[in-house]
Amino acid sequence: DIVMTQTPLSLSVTPGQPASISCKSSQSLLHSDGKTYLYWYLQKPGQSPQLLIYEVSNRFSGVPDRFSGSGSGTDFTLKISRVEAEDVGVYYCMQSIQLPYTFGQGTKLEIK
Amino acid sequence: EVQLVESGGGLVKPGGSLRLSCAASGFTFSSYSMNWVRQAPGKGLEWVSSISSSSSYIYYADSVKGRFTISRDNAKNSLYLQMNSLRAEDTAVYYCARGGVVIPFDYWGQGTLVTVSS
Repeated sequence: DIVMTQTPLSLSVTPGQPASISCKSSQSLLHSDGKTYLYWYLQKPGQSPQLLIYEVSNRFSGVPDRFSGSGSGTDFTLKISRVEAEDVGVYYCMQSIQLPYTFGQGTKLEIK
Repeated sequence: EVQLVESGGGLVKPGGSLRLSCAASGFTFSSYSMNWVRQAPGKGLEWVSSISSSSSYIYYADSVKGRFTISRDNAKNSLYLQMNSLRAEDTAVYYCARGGVVIPFDYWGQGTLVTVSS
């Protein structure tokens, strides 16, 4: 199975400040079709997960442009340019290049 | 608007069975693969099972293989998960999630809680 490792596991950010979450995979997520199958989800308190980013850097419908994704191969980053109160929750990276689909442990974002 | 509504969760004894359902609306159900993902209390997300749009392809996590069965009824816009031989470690919120064209899980339901305890 591909292991997804996120750092940090928690972070506390002042509103308006940037935040960054790292995700590393145990194998390359670059497929022979040229796509990289790395996704980011946010689970707000008491809610189901919601898709933020697909294929490394593509924002899903309705996702604010303060969220951005980057990376390649095995190293990926989610950045929030200016954190807002509504961004609190747990962020997960996930790979789908190979079954079983696997998630990172999650990174809990809190507001200072 | 895409809507996924799970039902069927509850308290069951170890070794027991439960059948989860997911009612879909707001999209052409028969055109999309569907999935179950679970989350144990206070823990992270774990993929459980996937089924293709026509049920031709079905996949399971090793942790549930041989015990759980995923199925769908495209005429009823519904997804199911038959869970047998339940164990304490199956205790979790079970989410139904749609599989988009390029995205494994693009929309999620609100989840249904399964508790396996004597």
